[in-house]
Amino acid sequence: ETGVTQSPTHLIKTRGQQVTLRCSSQSGHNTVSWYQQALGQGPQFIFQYYREEENGRGNFPPRFSGLQFPNYSSELNVNALELDDSALYLCASSLGGQLNTEAFFGQGTRLTVV
Amino acid sequence: EDQVTQSPEALRLQEGESSSLNCSYTVSGLRGLFWYRQDPGKGPEFLFTLYSAGEEKEKERLKATLTKKESFLHITAPKPEDSATYLCAVQDPHRNQFYFGTGTSLTVIP
Repeated sequence: ETGVTQSPTHLIKTRGQQVTLRCSSQSGHNTVSWYQQALGQGPQFIFQYYREEENGRGNFPPRFSGLQFPNYSSELNVNALELDDSALYLCASSLGGQLNTEAFFGQGTRLTVV
Repeated sequence: EDQVTQSPEALRLQEGESSSLNCSYTVSGLRGLFWYRQDPGKGPEFLFTLYSAGEEKEKERLKATLTKKESFLHITAPKPEDSATYLCAVQDPHRNQFYFGTGTSLTVIP
């Protein structure tokens, strides 16, 4: 167990809707990153938050947004859902704000857009 | 262009048959290469971080090595419980992004 928990585990949404996914970081970790993993692919980096500020972003449109709270838990929000947004969404927590430290992943949220 | 390429895509081994997985990368100024293991339906599990060419790390039957352009994950005398997808990832320090490969799916047959 990594101590990183995500909710919900599964979710079905309709195209055009909005969704919020949640992540609770490992105790003591001040950095959280989010990834999208399509079936059969490696995780794609969405963004990273360090001390409530975004400090790294991958090639995802602005309709993917996030928040990190003072207790270092985090949310991923996706607006105007598209069918291609169907994927496993992973969050990972780490320490120090740098991308080159080991990150510990949660079990993911499986999002299906219909 | 792809920052990280893993090969082979899939590998089937007999129990006890040693082999290596490859991860090649194109980012310059590497600040860390990471290996993860992922079981179906679960999040990746951290295995190793390598920071500089020549570095090696071991954990049970796994050993990871790093050169200037690639990394190898050596699996010695694998067991069926080693079956999983093995992912490598690197950081691009110039873009502050993190890139994963598509993984190698390893199956170890008893």
